[in-house]
Amino acid sequence: SAVISQKPSRDICQRGTSLTIQCQVDSQVTMMFWYRQQPGQSLTLIATANQGSEATYESGFVIDKFPISRPNLTFSTLTVSNMSPEDSSIYLCSVEVAGDYEQYFGPGTRLTVT
Amino acid sequence: KQEVTQIPAALSVPEGENLVLNCSFTDSAIYNLQWFRQDPGKGLTSLLLIQSSQREQTSGRLNASLDKSSGRSTLYIAASQPGDSATYLCAVRLTSYDKVIFGPGTSLSVIP
Repeated sequence: SAVISQKPSRDICQRGTSLTIQCQVDSQVTMMFWYRQQPGQSLTLIATANQGSEATYESGFVIDKFPISRPNLTFSTLTVSNMSPEDSSIYLCSVEVAGDYEQYFGPGTRLTVT
Repeated sequence: KQEVTQIPAALSVPEGENLVLNCSFTDSAIYNLQWFRQDPGKGLTSLLLIQSSQREQTSGRLNASLDKSSGRSTLYIAASQPGDSATYLCAVRLTSYDKVIFGPGTSLSVIP
């Protein structure tokens, strides 16, 4: 298993600003992911955070809006840039444990954009 | 394209009742299926992971079954408790290299 922490747990931000969310894992993992969960919706994958190379983004998500860093095997950041109220969501970091390909999630960051 | 649905969308039961949550997927050639629990405003907690070669998995009062041929999985919760109140999501992976596709979830409320 893996224990994942995220910072901040929640934030209220003004339109046009940016927020960086941190994800820390207690062990080295190969795969790290960032998800968005809009109010009342299920999870949508934003991107796969690749260690040492650019993240792989899903359709509808671009690097300019959601830049991601992955400097090592235990840490990643997601930045939500030039925020609008439509970015109000829970952002979740997830990791995958090799072998069974089981996914584990962090506690999430609840973002409100005013 | 793999699609995952969950029925019912919401469920309210009295404490002590046994219940079944359903998950359906359109492509039966899956690699694994995972059930999660999500409390309001929180992250996801992994409940059970079923590999494609398995028919069921059990953990405490939870039992998950998998029928690939019919594209269905069920999560059985025995003797429900108010603490079981949460949203339950199933997630399907097609291959070991594919992303996971989540269902919309079932919101469960267990009434004391």
